Amino acid sequence: EPEVTQTPSHQVTQMGQEVILRCVPISNHLYFYWYRQILGQKVEFLVSFYNNEISEKSEIFDDQFSVERPDGSNFTLKIRSTKLEDSAMYFCASSAGTGFLETQYFGPGTRLLVL
Amino acid sequence: GDSVTQMEGPVTLSEEAFLTINCTYTATGYPSLFWYVQYPGEGLQLLLKATKADDKGSNKGFEATYRKETTSFHLEKGSVQVSDSAVYFCALRRETSGSRLTFGEGTQLTVNP
Repeated sequence: EPEVTQTPSHQVTQMGQEVILRCVPISNHLYFYWYRQILGQKVEFLVSFYNNEISEKSEIFDDQFSVERPDGSNFTLKIRSTKLEDSAMYFCASSAGTGFLETQYFGPGTRLLVL
Repeated sequence: GDSVTQMEGPVTLSEEAFLTINCTYTATGYPSLFWYVQYPGEGLQLLLKATKADDKGSNKGFEATYRKETTSFHLEKGSVQVSDSAVYFCALRRETSGSRLTFGEGTQLTVNP
């Protein structure tokens, strides 16, 4: 069964460094998402992406963050100048469409720790 | 804004016990409601969903009924198995909120043999 994959599974970085989290969505999906979960808190929506453009973003997704689909298979989340509070589990998801009932398929997550 | 609240965890049960995980929501309009499950080392998987009041979603022995009068979507299973041990997330999506899902905190379920 097709699945969303994410790399790395764990990443440790120093405060102020840049990190790139990678995702390979399901191959025929067109819509891509990033969510995050800070330890002990809720899973939060960050951004959705379609046709090489951001289609929706939350208030969390500020200039520190960017997303890109650099080739036909990868979808990346870049976090510039990381802060301690960026430590979280980051989930990528993809869907075939954005209809009301469309299912989003999630990857296993990347656990980011900022020291 | 939209929000989802789940019962505090973790929940520990013996095999064949009855499971209820409470979920309540706040949203304008008529959201769709979802339960996702995350098994160890895996991504969030859609378990079941309901799109309108009084709908019942079901899958793998789990059920949840969309109760608009109580703004709830409680997850139930009559007899849990060890393999049901996972984290369960309640979520909603409003038709007018685009594609974003709004999640609850997640509830860790451990089933002991």
